[in-house]
Amino acid sequence: EPEVTQTPSHQVTQMGQEVILRCVPISNHLYFYWYRQILGQKVEFLVSFYNNEISEKSEIFDDQFSVERPDGSNFTLKIRSTKLEDSAMYFCASSERTSTDTQYFGPGTRLTVL
Amino acid sequence: QKEVEQNSGPLSVPEGAIASLNCTYSDRGSQSFFWYRQYSGKSPELIMFIYSNGDKEDGRFTAQLNKASQYVSLLIRDSQPSDSATYLCAVNGDDSWGKLQFGAGTQVVVTP
Repeated sequence: EPEVTQTPSHQVTQMGQEVILRCVPISNHLYFYWYRQILGQKVEFLVSFYNNEISEKSEIFDDQFSVERPDGSNFTLKIRSTKLEDSAMYFCASSERTSTDTQYFGPGTRLTVL
Repeated sequence: QKEVEQNSGPLSVPEGAIASLNCTYSDRGSQSFFWYRQYSGKSPELIMFIYSNGDKEDGRFTAQLNKASQYVSLLIRDSQPSDSATYLCAVNGDDSWGKLQFGAGTQVVVTP
């Protein structure tokens, strides 16, 4: 069964450093998403991406964040200058045809900012 | 502010019994509704989705949707210890490009 994959599974970085989190969505899916979950808190939407453009972003997704689909398979989230409060699990998700279709989540990347 | 509310639990359920989980949402324009299961430290895993009012059954799981009351529920029949997890209700509005609004989740503990 096709799955969303994410790398790395755990990333440790120093405050102020840039990190890139990578995702490979399910191959025939058209919509891609990033969510985050701070320990003990809700899963929060960051951004949706369709047709090589950001479709929607949350207030969390400020100028330090960016997304890119650099090739036909990868979908990346870049955090330019990490802060302590960026420590969280970051989940990539994808859906097949429309934005109301079921979203399938990857295993996540645990980001720890020291 | 659009909200999705769930009881945090823990909901303690004897093995073999029915677990009943509830979720309310504030956005009347919400179109699609999802239940995800999340084990500790893992990602959300889809259990069920429902788009129309009424009941939808899939194996031991039944989702119920009442748009007039802005209420969606999940029943787990014949609960097993492996069902012990946090169950997340997620809602997708009609004015959003796929943005899922999640509840905080209900922790279910199935006791042998």
